[in-house]
Amino acid sequence: DTGVSQDPRHKITKRGQNVTFRCDPISEHNRLYWYRQTLGQGPEFLTYFQNEAQLEKSRLLSDRFSAERPKGSFSTLEIQRTEQGDSAMYLCASSLGTGSEETQYFGPGTRLLVL
Amino acid sequence: QQQVKQSPQSLIVQKGGISIINCAYENTAFDYFPWYQQFPGKGPALLIAIRPDVSEKKEGRFTISFNKSAKQFSLHIMDSQPGDSATYFCAASIDSGGSNYKLTFGKGTLLTVNP
Repeated sequence: DTGVSQDPRHKITKRGQNVTFRCDPISEHNRLYWYRQTLGQGPEFLTYFQNEAQLEKSRLLSDRFSAERPKGSFSTLEIQRTEQGDSAMYLCASSLGTGSEETQYFGPGTRLLVL
Repeated sequence: QQQVKQSPQSLIVQKGGISIINCAYENTAFDYFPWYQQFPGKGPALLIAIRPDVSEKKEGRFTISFNKSAKQFSLHIMDSQPGDSATYFCAASIDSGGSNYKLTFGKGTLLTVNP
């Protein structure tokens, strides 16, 4: 399967714990996005990487959130000191970034539940 | 500020009928309008997309109609099938000028096609 993969698919944690999610984009896609989706809502943009550079962060991304994309390949999203309001589906998407082809391909998401 | 407004929130149609979902946007800088389909437990998948230089785009049973002056666009699903039952999201992005192409999504429409 050459699509976007995310790990884990589900995560249950207690309030105050740290969690880390991983996203593996489609090979050779240089753009990578993280979105958050809560129940009954559309995905909301969190942050964006072009290769290894994090070029934009949403105001939704508090200082408890950090994302990395070392070497421009996979990406990780870490949430420190989780709160119940962090419970959501975290989606990763990637695109080729040629300018004429910017279709974003989404992974299956990581569903986070903070107790 | 909700930049992309989607309606209806839910829609029930009979097999063979036409499903119509509407979206309106506010930011006139948006120049790329995709529709995504999402099944439970899965990430969104691109269905069809349009740019504002055309008023209509058709792919199989799916058609996007675009009205630039009204800042509205809609998805028509002809001959709706039970397998089309899913949540549909309209989205918009600024697809030129070196922006990050982040997607702004509507809140989604839950489509149910009865057999």
